[in-house]
Amino acid sequence: AQRVTQPEKLLSVFKGAPVELKCNYSYSGSPELFWYVQYSRQRLQLLLRHISRESIKGFTADLNKGETSFHLKKPFAQEEDSAMYYCALMFSGGYNKLIFGAGTRLAVHP
Amino acid sequence: SAVISQKPSRDICQRGTSLTIQCQVDSQVTMMFWYRQQPGQSLTLIATANQGSEATYESGFVIDKFPISRPNLTFSTLTVSNMSPEDSSIYLCSAQRGTNEKLFFGSGTQLSVL
Repeated sequence: AQRVTQPEKLLSVFKGAPVELKCNYSYSGSPELFWYVQYSRQRLQLLLRHISRESIKGFTADLNKGETSFHLKKPFAQEEDSAMYYCALMFSGGYNKLIFGAGTRLAVHP
Repeated sequence: SAVISQKPSRDICQRGTSLTIQCQVDSQVTMMFWYRQQPGQSLTLIATANQGSEATYESGFVIDKFPISRPNLTFSTLTVSNMSPEDSSIYLCSAQRGTNEKLFFGSGTQLSVL
């Protein structure tokens, strides 16, 4: 069965420290993975997707098929990065379906 | 990008009543989805709503409890029927223009059932 696992509910770091939010997935097909972010009092929005291989707000994520992981990284955390981060897997079941991990709350302290 | 207007933003309802949540997209979209986010949990897909056909429900969700309408390419409703306190949750709609396009989300409806 398809599954997305985010093992950490809360990640607390100081400003300027590196950040890695972990995401592992289970899917027998070819995965398409996303990171969504929800800032306080804002709606859920796309941060980045693996096929774009882009860096958004200093965040990057590399798909590792061998380890079935899609960890989100940023070398130097900023206070404005504090938010809820969700890893998501899209797969085709006759139509595209997006399933989410449980989410990790990132708290960046000054 | 697409902008989704979702309403109501929050409501407090009595047990046994029903609530209809509306989502309006500012452009035509192929697919719309309804999610539930229970307190402290992640988003769970309730159903997929395609225009002109019945919604497709995920395991654990049934049409009698969560009837969905999709009358055109910019609008959808989700009704939470015969509510109980266990239905207290955030309900989110999302939209996708086409296959492999990113999802846009509404701002959510915070539902509390007394």
